[in-house]
Amino acid sequence: EPEVTQTPSHQVTQMGQEVILRCVPISNHLYFYWYRQILGQKVEFLVSFYNNEISEKSEIFDDQFSVERPDGSNFTLKIRSTKLEDSAMYFCARPKQGTSDEQYFGPGTRLTVT
Amino acid sequence: AQSVSQHNHHVILSEAASLELGCNYSYGGTVNLFWYVQYPGQHLQLLLKYFSGDPLVKGIKGFEAEFIKSKFSFNLRKPSVQWSDTAEYFCAVNGNTDKLIFGTGTRLQVFP
Repeated sequence: EPEVTQTPSHQVTQMGQEVILRCVPISNHLYFYWYRQILGQKVEFLVSFYNNEISEKSEIFDDQFSVERPDGSNFTLKIRSTKLEDSAMYFCARPKQGTSDEQYFGPGTRLTVT
Repeated sequence: AQSVSQHNHHVILSEAASLELGCNYSYGGTVNLFWYVQYPGQHLQLLLKYFSGDPLVKGIKGFEAEFIKSKFSFNLRKPSVQWSDTAEYFCAVNGNTDKLIFGTGTRLQVFP
């Protein structure tokens, strides 16, 4: 099946700056997930996004986070004012065709906040 | 709340040794269970999954896992590991929603 791509692969930003991470589906998918993995820790669910609306979000996904589908194809995760503790790998994922249970993950964006 | 525990944080083996990685979950309802692998510098890839039916599931690269409902466990096994199996292994579940809940991961190092 088509893969998920993410851009950029690595982003370095200063504390307090806004960052936008992008997830690019190869085919037209309505359902997407964002996860993050702080170095040395487990992968954590952030948010699921279906048909231009948030379907579910975790307690990590506070007001500084937002998700959009700005142009009908890309999915974005925005962090408005980054903090040091936002440094992590951010993965987007999409469901396998025909199922809502199996997910394909993108290669991730490494975010470094200095 | 759902949770996943992986008891082995770091496992070191020689090639041809047998592998078993533990995974226990906490959830009262029906669950789907997964093992994902993350090779160095790569993204998460699905190794195998259990939704229903035969509790012994076989995945890619010779891996298998057994779902034991009474023990809330889904341990990953491989009879003979290779150097190329060096990676981080994550157990995950989902239940009443489709979000995945991951364990903390097990880092496997295989030496030739």
